[in-house]
Amino acid sequence: EAQVTQNPRYLITVTGKKLTVTCSQNMNHEYMSWYRQDPGLGLRQIYYSMNVEVTDKGDVPEGYKVSRKEKRNFPLILESPSPNQTSLYFCASSSRGGPQHFGDGTRLSIL
Amino acid sequence: AQKITQTQPGMFVQEKEAVTLDCTYDTSDQSYGLFWYKQPSSGEMIFLIYQGSYDEQNATEGRYSLNFQKARKSANLVISASQLGDSAMYFCAAPTGRRALTFGSGTRLQVQP
Repeated sequence: EAQVTQNPRYLITVTGKKLTVTCSQNMNHEYMSWYRQDPGLGLRQIYYSMNVEVTDKGDVPEGYKVSRKEKRNFPLILESPSPNQTSLYFCASSSRGGPQHFGDGTRLSIL
Repeated sequence: AQKITQTQPGMFVQEKEAVTLDCTYDTSDQSYGLFWYKQPSSGEMIFLIYQGSYDEQNATEGRYSLNFQKARKSANLVISASQLGDSAMYFCAAPTGRRALTFGSGTRLQVQP
């Protein structure tokens, strides 16, 4: 089954404790993105990747890191999380010209 | 840059009836695409249907269809024979640069038995 898999689905953690949200897709898509969704602000792109080792900033990259060492994986790293990064996070992947397929989301709470 | 407008914050529909969710867009691009996504209360974002600006036919996927009016810059989603499981937020979206999607503010659809 074609899918984008994010883990964890839910995480409650504390300020400053490094965390990684994993994302994996099995559709051989070149493009992958991370978004965050906040009430009143909608979905905003954090980072994106056009292929292995090619990443670039989206609209709200501050406080986040990404890497794309393999085509299927695109982890999101919060080196020193802060409460304003509490949000619903989505990973998405797509082929060139195709629709973006989203993971099920990660609800992140930072206390 | 794309701008997506969804003017209906909430909609109600009776089960088994059809409902139309509005979406207008503003772009200067000659070639573009429009997407609709469904977000149930559980939170996942589900791709429903896509319309390309050069597609001659309106897109159709099962009970979902697009009423695409290029001159009016509208791409309304029509859901036929509504089911209780259709209750969700619905987002219209269009690609921008950086392989990002610009989303509308969404419409919350509630299907009543």
